[in-house]
Amino acid sequence: ILNVEQSPQSLHVQEGDSTNFTCSFPSSNFYALHWYRWETAKSPEALFVMTLNGDEKKKGRISATLNTKEGYSYLYIKGSQPEDSATYLCVFRESGGSQGNLIFGKGTKLSVKP
Amino acid sequence: NAGVMQNPRHLVRRRGQEARLRCSPMKGHSHVYWYRQLPEEGLKFMVYLQKENIIDESGMPKERFSAEFPKEGPSILRIQQVVRGDSAAYFCASSQTIEETQYFGPGTRLLVL
Repeated sequence: ILNVEQSPQSLHVQEGDSTNFTCSFPSSNFYALHWYRWETAKSPEALFVMTLNGDEKKKGRISATLNTKEGYSYLYIKGSQPEDSATYLCVFRESGGSQGNLIFGKGTKLSVKP
Repeated sequence: NAGVMQNPRHLVRRRGQEARLRCSPMKGHSHVYWYRQLPEEGLKFMVYLQKENIIDESGMPKERFSAEFPKEGPSILRIQQVVRGDSAAYFCASSQTIEETQYFGPGTRLLVL
């Protein structure tokens, strides 16, 4: 059974703090890793998709790195703002088989206090 | 360009009734995926369809659940004879190709009384 683990489960930070969280995934049969941002009562919004070992992606104050050999990805948020409060989902896609099958982590719930 | 649309947003059914959940993918997207989020759980893959074909239904319960994506019209996830354990949020996503990012709809929250 493939497992995607995210830590921490939840995180409370003050406005202006920088933060990061981790996603670990199977290091074999890797195809792609996605990060989604999911605000309460909304649908998950795609942030990044990474496919190559060593990939780094950046979108505004949010960035992500990928290590496929050891099976982890980090998401960083610089200078957190209240509007960053959301659950951040890490999603693993396996090569071979049905590539439509995404395996989701349970997410890291970030709360940013003003 | 409208995003992925799902309706209804909320659905209440009594045990034994049927639930029909609809998903209209983004314009130009021919790949549709259904996911379920049970209370206190993460999203779990159910089924992947590409116009008129079921590509992968490995995550869908064998009984009572079915999905279709007809040539015309939305994709439908159908749950027959619902039970309380079917209460969950059901999300649909679509993509242009199998390799590209999936875009999610707002979900349908099903409550079985």
